[in-house]
Amino acid sequence: GAGVSQTPSNKVTEKGKYVELRCDPISGHTALYWYRQSLGQGPEFLIYFQGTGAADDSGLPNDRFFAVRPEGSVSTLKIQRTERGDSAVYLCASSLHGGARNEQFFGPGTRLTVL
Amino acid sequence: SQQGEEDPQALSIQEGENATMNCSYKTSINNLQWYRQNSGRGLVHLILIRSNEREKHSGRLRVTLDTSKKSSSLLITASRAADTASYFCATAVNTNAGKSTFGDGTTLTVKP
Repeated sequence: GAGVSQTPSNKVTEKGKYVELRCDPISGHTALYWYRQSLGQGPEFLIYFQGTGAADDSGLPNDRFFAVRPEGSVSTLKIQRTERGDSAVYLCASSLHGGARNEQFFGPGTRLTVL
Repeated sequence: SQQGEEDPQALSIQEGENATMNCSYKTSINNLQWYRQNSGRGLVHLILIRSNEREKHSGRLRVTLDTSKKSSSLLITASRAADTASYFCATAVNTNAGKSTFGDGTTLTVKP
């Protein structure tokens, strides 16, 4: 079956604009994760969903960032009033069940560039 | 700040040689995972080792965990050019949390 997919693969926007990044997890996976990766660094945790609810949103850097997963499948990461520092690759991952012991399958990421 | 730190930052070896990468972390963990990332692509899970395990093997990969030293190592034996990638360790603090904390990775180059 298909892996985790993310759209768009690339997004260029201007400072101050609003963007939405989409993640389609592997079918049947109950857990979904968002990470952000800057050049030369490892992924940085943003938020973790178990089903429809955000089980851990401690990684969201500020209130400009918000994520939803209304039907427990597709998730959208929303960034308001984008800043140049938001430029990074945004990675989504899913796992069959939640919890730290479960292998996370990563998507290819969305490269966000804020001009 | 990142929980895990990989060492070295970059490693260059000849095909056929072994590659060893190390990861140190700061707090007690439930498990530690190693991932590979090819340039411009997503991460691929390699192996998970639990805090009560000391060593694990998967094909040409060998992972060790020393909880007393808060460190782990990833050994790739008989390396191939296709092993060229960045390798990251990620730690999870407790079983129920989904959050994994990644280090900044080791960039491995295997020369043919």
